[in-house]
Amino acid sequence: NAGVTQTPKFRVLKTGQSMTLLCAQDMNHEYMYWYRQDPGMGLRLIHYSVGEGTTAKGEVPDGYNVSRLKKQNFLLGLESAAPSQTSVYFCASSYSTGDPLDTQYFGPGTRLTVL
Amino acid sequence: LAKTTQPVSMDSYEGQEVNITCSHNNIATNDYITWYQQFPSQGPRFIIQGYKTKVTNEVASLFIPADRKSSTLSLPRVSLSDTAVYYCLVEARQLTFGSGTQLTVLP
Repeated sequence: NAGVTQTPKFRVLKTGQSMTLLCAQDMNHEYMYWYRQDPGMGLRLIHYSVGEGTTAKGEVPDGYNVSRLKKQNFLLGLESAAPSQTSVYFCASSYSTGDPLDTQYFGPGTRLTVL
Repeated sequence: LAKTTQPVSMDSYEGQEVNITCSHNNIATNDYITWYQQFPSQGPRFIIQGYKTKVTNEVASLFIPADRKSSTLSLPRVSLSDTAVYYCLVEARQLTFGSGTQLTVLP
């Protein structure tokens, strides 16, 4: 049981390049999330998904797209990377967000640098 | 949305008990209080969750007064490895982590 895994762990992009971050979970969770964390700050939600084939915007969605074609995978895409997207990206999953707040399980993160 | 307020940072020494308080004046009746811990270069991980009074597990205790407008995470006899950021979440659908409390344990 690997939990939540993220690929890649590190990446350096040039401004304008595109890339996709992959998140995979093997816990059969319905909900998946993408966060970004900038130095010294908390996590900010980018997009999330409440089930296969569905996605929704979070707090900071601009410049990102997501897809949830399979229940176990959640992809985060950057179509044209900008230096402001330099950050650490965390993926998380949970069974639901009902009451009580369901525990989120986080991946190890992807450190992205945009030059 | 229920808003939470936590101290930005705290320092402690090894072996001491640490209490981190979170204020949540607008907590709703059906909200639970959940705490996460984040070590450097890692994703957050769940520590403890509660609704009222006191909850204890192998890692921490959570104290919640009757009015539920605040909660206190208690870490007994901290060690250097407890240095981390601690986040308090209080809404059933809260998906935003604030800046948390940076706890630094000193030798």
